[in-house]
Amino acid sequence: NAGVTQTPKFQVLKTGQSMTLQCAQDMNHNSMYWYRQDPGMGLRLIYYSASEGTTDKGEVPNGYNVSRLNKREFSLRLESAAPSQTSVYFCASSDYQPQHFGDGTRLSIL
Amino acid sequence: LAKTTQPISMDSYEGQEVNITCSHNNIATNDYITWYQQFPSQGPRFIIQGYKTKVTNEVASLFIPADRKSSTLSLPRVSLSDTAVYYCLVGESMDSNYQLIWGAGTKLIIKP
Repeated sequence: NAGVTQTPKFQVLKTGQSMTLQCAQDMNHNSMYWYRQDPGMGLRLIYYSASEGTTDKGEVPNGYNVSRLNKREFSLRLESAAPSQTSVYFCASSDYQPQHFGDGTRLSIL
Repeated sequence: LAKTTQPISMDSYEGQEVNITCSHNNIATNDYITWYQQFPSQGPRFIIQGYKTKVTNEVASLFIPADRKSSTLSLPRVSLSDTAVYYCLVGESMDSNYQLIWGAGTKLIIKP
């Protein structure tokens, strides 16, 4: 039972490069979320998708775009990476609460 | 925008009961309160969820007063493996947007 799978697990980018983080869930959940977690900090919501075909901004959406490809998959794209986007990115899914999290993508931008 | 407040850190000893409180003003009528545990290099993991009064499962209890403006996570007889960061999460609806407000987390250190 995989739960929430995130790829890649680690990535290093140069400033200005673009990248898409992938997330897939096998629990048939309607809602999916993208968070970022900076060192020693709590989670901040970037975007969420309450159901297939809908997406909404969270607390810190600037610099990111998302796509809810189907019910299983929710991707996060950085169009022009900046050092301030260095963080650990978590994807989660739920039917309301509780949320189930992936193991994260550790992203460094030089 | 509602805000959740937790202690930044707590220490305790093996075998003790630990209580971590989260304050959450402006909680919406239909919102649940959920607590998560996070170990280094892992995603948060669900511990317990409640709406009011008391909820208990195999690992923790959750106490919520009548006004629901706070909640207390209780971990009975902690062990070294309970050292982690604990987060409370309260869902909040604002206009047509659904805002999820996470606390900053409480770093719990269990000593032998």
